[in-house]
Amino acid sequence: SQELEQSPQSLIVQEGKNLTINCTSSKTLYGLYWYKQKYGEGLIFLMMLQKGGEEKSHEKITAKLDEKKQQSSLHITASQPSHAGIYLCGADEGSGSWGKLQFGAGTQVVVTP
Amino acid sequence: ETGVTQTPRHLVMGMTNKKSLKCEQHLGHNAMYWYKQSAKKPLELMFVYNFKEQTENNSVPSRFSPECPNSSHLFLHLHTLQPEDSALYLCASSQEIRYTEAFFGQGTRLTVV
Repeated sequence: SQELEQSPQSLIVQEGKNLTINCTSSKTLYGLYWYKQKYGEGLIFLMMLQKGGEEKSHEKITAKLDEKKQQSSLHITASQPSHAGIYLCGADEGSGSWGKLQFGAGTQVVVTP
Repeated sequence: ETGVTQTPRHLVMGMTNKKSLKCEQHLGHNAMYWYKQSAKKPLELMFVYNFKEQTENNSVPSRFSPECPNSSHLFLHLHTLQPEDSALYLCASSQEIRYTEAFFGQGTRLTVV
């Protein structure tokens, strides 16, 4: 099955600073999803990137997909307290395995004043 | 509010009890999922239902029994659980099972004593 490795596992960033989270897949990426989770709660969808080297932005969050490296990155510009939480990447295994959305272990983000 | 509602939010049960988790969505989605989230482990996909038909059972022990009576409702019946089954159980739904974002419920925090 597909494995997703996220780095770093956790990070502390000062408010106003930028941060980047990486997600590397052991297999070809077909659909890559980024979610945010507050501790003990459900996941909130952020962005989906499809095969083909996409880049998407929403407010201060930008996600990129590098299909050659089988990697995606999530970049937050000028972080705010509202950006604190756990960020998870998820990926489809592709044809023949649709619906088997696998997730990385998550990156915990703490934003300090 | 994602449109996916899970009840109860918290559940404490003994190892000999029988209980059920409920998930409901009125988003018109055709696919529904159960995930298990344990401490310090990635989200684990348990079951996938597509148009009320189970398409994935990710080697889940038989003490977990899913039921999908219609596209809007998904249940997880629990019996003779073990303490290691204590976790956050998340339900999700999506329009279809490929290339589509999943909407997650808030989860049920299950504690087995």
